[in-house]
Amino acid sequence: KAGVTQTPRYLIKTRGQQVTLSCSPISGHRSVSWYQQTPGQGLQFLFEYFSETQRNKGNFPGRFSGRQFSNSRSEMNVSTLELGDSALYLCASSNTGGSGKLFFGSGTQLSVL
Amino acid sequence: GQQVMQIPQYQHVQEGEDFTTYCNSSTTLSNIQWYKQRPGGHPVFLIQLVKSGEVKKQKRLTFQFGEAKKNSSLHITATQTTDVGTYFCSNRDDKIIFGKGTRLHILP
Repeated sequence: KAGVTQTPRYLIKTRGQQVTLSCSPISGHRSVSWYQQTPGQGLQFLFEYFSETQRNKGNFPGRFSGRQFSNSRSEMNVSTLELGDSALYLCASSNTGGSGKLFFGSGTQLSVL
Repeated sequence: GQQVMQIPQYQHVQEGEDFTTYCNSSTTLSNIQWYKQRPGGHPVFLIQLVKSGEVKKQKRLTFQFGEAKKNSSLHITATQTTDVGTYFCSNRDDKIIFGKGTRLHILP
């Protein structure tokens, strides 16, 4: 079974631009969650989608948004990029929307210049 | 909002020594999950605990969930170089919360 796939692997953007990241979950998994990882703040929860519906949202500004498609693939969008958005963005899939274990992708390393 | 505090932030041990990381919450947790992230890698699930006082072992790793379900620990016996990485605890409920992790360095 293929693992969680995130694209692109690396991305360089400038302030004010927007970016879209993609995540393909493990086949059969209906839950996809997104995280921002920085050296100082650890792993911070952005949002979780289950069957195309946003179940939960973390404490991030409205510039961060996401969606999930009928095939469970998910995208995350960040608009009006700021320098502080530079981070590793990880997505994880799970076969349940509750307390199941998370399978992480390799992440997208975003650098904002 | 709900938080899980993880200590210590860093730990250096000689190879062969034991290692413990602790996860604490001010509120009762429905479950606790532990993940390991190798340098340059992504978090990998280790275990989930759901019952009060639960203890689970995986070879040299021992995981505990406190009686009050407000704290948890991960203990590694006789560390090896393969244990290097950052260990995260997590609670998955309405939201998914991660501790900031304990980074383990092994000195040869």
